[in-house]
Order: sequence, then structure tokens, then C-alpha cells
Amino acid sequence: EAGVAQSPRYKIIEKKQSVAFWCNPISGHATLYWYQQILGQGPKLLIQFQNNGVVDDSQLPKDRFSAERLKGVDSTLKIQPAKLEDSAVYLCASSSARENTEAFFGQGTRLTVV
Amino acid sequence: RKEVEQDPGPFNVPEGATVAFNCTYSNSASQSFFWYRQDCRKEPKLLMSVYSSGNEDGRFTAQLNRASQYISLLIRDSKLSDSATYLCVVKELSNFGNEKLTFGTGTRLTIIP
Repeated sequence: EAGVAQSPRYKIIEKKQSVAFWCNPISGHATLYWYQQILGQGPKLLIQFQNNGVVDDSQLPKDRFSAERLKGVDSTLKIQPAKLEDSAVYLCASSSARENTEAFFGQGTRLTVV
Repeated sequence: RKEVEQDPGPFNVPEGATVAFNCTYSNSASQSFFWYRQDCRKEPKLLMSVYSSGNEDGRFTAQLNRASQYISLLIRDSKLSDSATYLCVVKELSNFGNEKLTFGTGTRLTIIP
């Protein structure tokens, strides 16, 4: 079974530039998450999709972050303009919305804003 | 109070020792519980689910105490390869079929030779 795919693996940009990350979840998984993980901290939920609808985006800094999941499959997360504090690993995860089923993570995109 | 709380550690434990982590959660309606393991610069991966009756997988034992709202992970006969960050994860499932996964900050474990 193919896992969660993310790209790019690494990205270095200057502050105020824009950047986009892509995620392809496991086939058939209705739920897709984007997490931000700063070094030394646990993953923090940015946005959660159920199919192509947003379930929770309460912690997404909407003045600069946006995300979409067209057709309920792939998803993109965009930051515009980037700030230094956005330097983190951006993790995409997917799961089926059933009790006792876990979420599977992609390898993440390591973003460095300089 | 944080939704999911863990002692961040670090825990530095000699090889062969037993180590235990606890995790508390605030929402009594939480339904599923997991321990994930995250190696340095890697993504989190499921270590084990935590069932109401408690469960064991080799050297690892997970337990759930719903009354006190905490879960625990016990590692026996620790190996060098157990060095990692252990993340507590709590899942809530709504009546509409939506789920919410909340992560703790993780507990960093280092096994010392």
C-alpha cells in the first residue's frame, strides 16, 4: 500500500516570499491533516479536511496560510508571505474516520525561512 | 489546561532498564488513544494503539485509565534503538463522522549504553 506522499522534502525561502506544499494521502482516506511541527515540539494541527470540506482550521493563520483539497484527494498548503517563525516541518497525515484507526504521516516538508 | 499533556523529558535511561511515560487528556469524550514514535528528523509512526483493557506488544505495554483520563506506556528491557520521542495521541470521533486528532508535545527518551 502506498503511503502519504509529500513534496518537496526541503525548501529554503526568504521571508516575505511565498511557498506551497503538496500532499497526496493514502487512497480512500477521507480525512487529511496538515500539521506544523517546530523543533522540539509536538505536531500542531493547522487544518483538517474531511473529503473536500474543512472540518477544523481554527489554528490556521489565515492572514498568510491557505489550504485546499480539490476533489477530496490531493491537498496543497500555501504560505504567503512567509515569516521567519514559519520555519518548521509541515506534516501531512491521512486517516479513515473510524474508531481505533490511526493516522499515517508523510515524510514532511522541512521549511527554512531566512 | 492543555488538551493532551506529556512530560517532555528528556528521560535518560540506562540500557536494559524499564521506563514509563504518562499522558493526560482533558476531554472525557475521547474515544481512541495511540502512542506514536518519532525519530530525529523523521515523521511520526504508530507504535501502538491503546485499548481499554490494556495491551502489550513485546517489550511495550500500554494502558488506559478513563476514570483518571490518562494513558501510559511502559518499555521493558530498553534497547539503544528505543531512543526517540514518544507522542501521545488522542482521537475524538463526532456523531457526524468527523474525527479530531490531538498530539501531546512528546517525551524524549535517550537510552544510554
